[in-house]
Amino acid sequence: GENVEQHPSTLSVQEGDSAVIKCTYSDSASNYFPWYKQELGKRPQLIIDIRSNVGEKKDQRIAVTLNKTAKHFSLHITETQPEDSAVYFCAASRGTYKYIFGTGTRLKVLA
Amino acid sequence: DAGVIQSPRHEVTEMGQEVTLRCKPISGHDYLFWYRQTMMRGLELLIYFNNNVPIDDSGMPEDRFSAKMPNASFSTLKIQPSEPRDSAVYFCASSRTSGGVQNTGELFFGEGSRLTVL
Repeated sequence: GENVEQHPSTLSVQEGDSAVIKCTYSDSASNYFPWYKQELGKRPQLIIDIRSNVGEKKDQRIAVTLNKTAKHFSLHITETQPEDSAVYFCAASRGTYKYIFGTGTRLKVLA
Repeated sequence: DAGVIQSPRHEVTEMGQEVTLRCKPISGHDYLFWYRQTMMRGLELLIYFNNNVPIDDSGMPEDRFSAKMPNASFSTLKIQPSEPRDSAVYFCASSRTSGGVQNTGELFFGEGSRLTVL
C-alpha cells in the first residue's frame, strides 16, 4: 500500500534561518500533497498544499516543491520565527480523502 | 462556526471498559474522518464517511472498534472492550467536497480526545 516517509524526525534551526522537511511517497498515482502544522497540544492545521500538476507553490514564508519523477516533495520555511516551532506532517493522496500521513517532523526554532 | 467539536477531551478508563468518543462536524461538511495519533505511528486514518455513509474502514484496527454516523451532525467512535494499547489521541475531522474530479480538500480537525486505558 501507499507509504509516506518523512525526514528528518527532528530539526533545530536558529531563528531567521531556513528549514527544509522532505517527504517521499511510494504510490505513483498520488496527486495531492498537503502539509499540516500541529502546535504542542493543539489540532493539526493545513498550512499549504500542492497538486501534481504544479511543481512549486509559495505562500509568504512557506513553499512546497514537488518532484513527481523522484516521488518526493519538500516543505521550505524561510526566515524562521519562534512561532514556527511545531510538528509538521506531510501527506499524500491519490485523489481521494484517504490521506496517508508521514510520521512528522518536530521543528524547533531557537531564539 | 465553532469548528469540529469533540467530547470528551480526556478519558481515563480501565482495561475492558467501553469507551465512546463523540464528534460534531462543521455544518455543511459532507466528509467526516476519525484519526488516531500516537508517538510511534503518527496520524492514522481509522475510518471516513461521506454523506453519513462509511467509505473506507480499512484502518480500523480490529472488531473492538466501531464507528457510526447516524446523521450529518454527529458521529461516534466506540471501543469495546478497551485495552491499554488503545491509549492515544483520537481526532475527528471534517471536510467539504472541493468539487471537480479531485475529491480532496482541507481537513478541519477537532481538538482531539485523549484516551488513557489503564
